Amino acid sequence: DARVTQTPRHKVTEMGQEVTMRCQPILGHNTVFWYRQTMMQGLELLAYFRNRAPLDDSGMPKDRFSAEMPDATLATLKIQPSEPRDSAVYFCASGLNTASEAFFGQGTRLTVV
Amino acid sequence: KQEVTQIPAALSVPEGENLVLNCSFTDSAIYNLQWFRQDPGKGLTSLLLIQSSQREQTSGRLNASLDKSSGRSTLYIAASQPGDSATYLCAVNSNSGYALNFGKGTSLLVTP
Repeated sequence: DARVTQTPRHKVTEMGQEVTMRCQPILGHNTVFWYRQTMMQGLELLAYFRNRAPLDDSGMPKDRFSAEMPDATLATLKIQPSEPRDSAVYFCASGLNTASEAFFGQGTRLTVV
Repeated sequence: KQEVTQIPAALSVPEGENLVLNCSFTDSAIYNLQWFRQDPGKGLTSLLLIQSSQREQTSGRLNASLDKSSGRSTLYIAASQPGDSATYLCAVNSNSGYALNFGKGTSLLVTP
């Protein structure tokens, strides 16, 4: 059963700490997205990769957030230093290509205290 | 920038009713439109994908239509059941952005 896998599912951390979230896209998918979901803003695009190359990270605060794809089976989203306003659910999604159906992981619920 | 709006924000219906959820978008230059379901505390489950060249897609009791020229899509749920209670999200994949732009969702409650 192919699915997008995200770890950890939950993370509580103190302000100022580094947070790393990981995503394993569906095998063979060449597009990967990171989204953040909050009650106020809904789902916001943070970063978008195609064939492991970042195509759009305009939604990401550059001073503290970074997104990478070390290889085709792993995407990472790092926050350093974390702040309470970063508390949200972070979703990873993947698709076969740009215009295909997107499949979402279960998300990482981040709480920064 | 593509703006996606979903109306209503919340809906409560008795079991068995047929219902329609609405989605509108500002830029008609799209690749496709996707409807998702999200249960509380869970991820997004893809329900239907409509390509820009299509008018509708059906899956079981769900039917989604697309009118690209007017910037609208509807999700029709037939014979609603309590298990349909969830938040339904509409997302548009625009020609310009290549990533999904989401509406804020419609929270649906189907009462027994």
